[in-house]
Amino acid sequence: DSGVTQTPKHLITATGQRVTLRCSPRSGDLSVYWYQQSLDQGLQFLIQYYNGEERAKGNILERFSAQQFPDLHSELNLSSLELGDSALYFCASSLGTGNVVTGELFFGEGSRLTVL
Amino acid sequence: ILNVEQSPQSLHVQEGDSTNFTCSFPSSNFYALHWYRWETAKSPEALFVMTLNGDEKKKGRISATLNTKEGYSYLYIKGSQPEDSATYLCAFRSTLTFGKGTMLLVSP
Repeated sequence: DSGVTQTPKHLITATGQRVTLRCSPRSGDLSVYWYQQSLDQGLQFLIQYYNGEERAKGNILERFSAQQFPDLHSELNLSSLELGDSALYFCASSLGTGNVVTGELFFGEGSRLTVL
Repeated sequence: ILNVEQSPQSLHVQEGDSTNFTCSFPSSNFYALHWYRWETAKSPEALFVMTLNGDEKKKGRISATLNTKEGYSYLYIKGSQPEDSATYLCAFRSTLTFGKGTMLLVSP
C-alpha cells in the first residue's frame, strides 16, 4: 500500500460528459502528479501541483483541468469526454520536503475511465 | 536524445537467466533517474532513485548503473525468477517523463 488513495477505481460514462477523479496523497507529501495511461502508451505526464500551486504541466488537454486543495488532496476534471479519453489515470505523490526535485513517486492504484 | 527511451520493449527469459535493460534519457538538465517496477494489476513501485554520475545501486538480485554524461542507465537482474515478471519503467525526473517500459516475462 503506497498510501496514495484514488477514487473512483472504475468509472463508465458517455461521450460529452464530465467526470472528476480524486486523489489523496501520502501523509506529508506536498506534491501531487497526474498521469494518463492509454492502450499501448506509456505513462503520459499531465500535471503536477505542489502545496496547492501548479508546478509543471505536461500534455494535458484544454478539456482537462486539475487543482490541489488546502488539505492537499487533488482532483482531475475531465470534460466533454471523447472515446479516446478512455484510459487509466494515475495519481502519484512525492516527498514534500528535502528532495523535491529528485524524490521518487508513490502511485495510487489508478482510476480506470471508460467512455462509451 | 530528447525523450526517454527504453529497450528492449519486451523480454522473455528462463528462470535463472540474468538479464539487463537500457534506459536512455536527455543528458542535459539532469536531476535524477528513477527505476520503477510495475506488476500487472498493481501500481508502479520505485526500485531506485539515482542522482550521481557513476551511481550504482543494488537491491537483492537487482542492480542499476547510471551514466549522466552520455544519458543512459542499465538495470540488471541476476538469476531471474518468475516473480520478477513485470514491466520495468525508467523516469527522467527533470521532466517527469517515463519511458514506455520493458516488459519482462520469466518462465519457470
